[in-house]
Amino acid sequence: AQSVAQPEDQVNVAEGNPLTVKCTYSVSGNPYLFWYVQYPNRGLQFLLKYITGDNLVKGSYGFEAEFNKSQTSFHLKKPSALVSDSALYFCAVRATGTASKLTFGTGTRLQVTL
Amino acid sequence: NAGVTQTPKFRVLKTGQSMTLLCAQDMNHEYMYWYRQDPGMGLRLIHYSVGEGTTAKGEVPDGYNVSRLKKQNFLLGLESAAPSQTSVYFCASSYSKRGHDDTQYFGPGTRLTVL
Repeated sequence: AQSVAQPEDQVNVAEGNPLTVKCTYSVSGNPYLFWYVQYPNRGLQFLLKYITGDNLVKGSYGFEAEFNKSQTSFHLKKPSALVSDSALYFCAVRATGTASKLTFGTGTRLQVTL
Repeated sequence: NAGVTQTPKFRVLKTGQSMTLLCAQDMNHEYMYWYRQDPGMGLRLIHYSVGEGTTAKGEVPDGYNVSRLKKQNFLLGLESAAPSQTSVYFCASSYSKRGHDDTQYFGPGTRLTVL
């Protein structure tokens, strides 16, 4: 069975500071990893994904994530947070050959303040 | 392109009533999915479809039925609604079942309350 853990319910960051939202996963075989963002009363928007290749993945809105196989992690990062980044962030994983069934984490609320 | 659309956006039901949620996508995607989102639990897969005329159970299928009569539409039915089905429901679609480009694209959601 595959699973995702997002250990922090909420992350608070001041605008202009770097941010990290943590994600660890468990899966048999090679993982496909995704980050989605959800703004209030909206659906999930795709941010970035890791399939294979370079461990540092760049995505939308200046976000990036680093795949670490030994630590089974896929943390989301941004060098300089904006107030508009405040939202709910979901990490998701699927194993190759699992018919695209994603398993989502419980989400981390990012709050960026002035 | 509208992407993934869902109707209705909001609905209030009484226990025992039935309803159907409609999902439509205009991206010619093969796969479609229904999820429910509950506080502190992330998204959980209810049912999914790998193509027109096919459906399969996800993680939490009980109390729901689905149909995919047309490639662009995926319907989620509640035959006898229960308060435990109060949730926000999201539909998603993706293009390829085994390729790399299997990013799922989500609709705006339907907020359902069962009294």
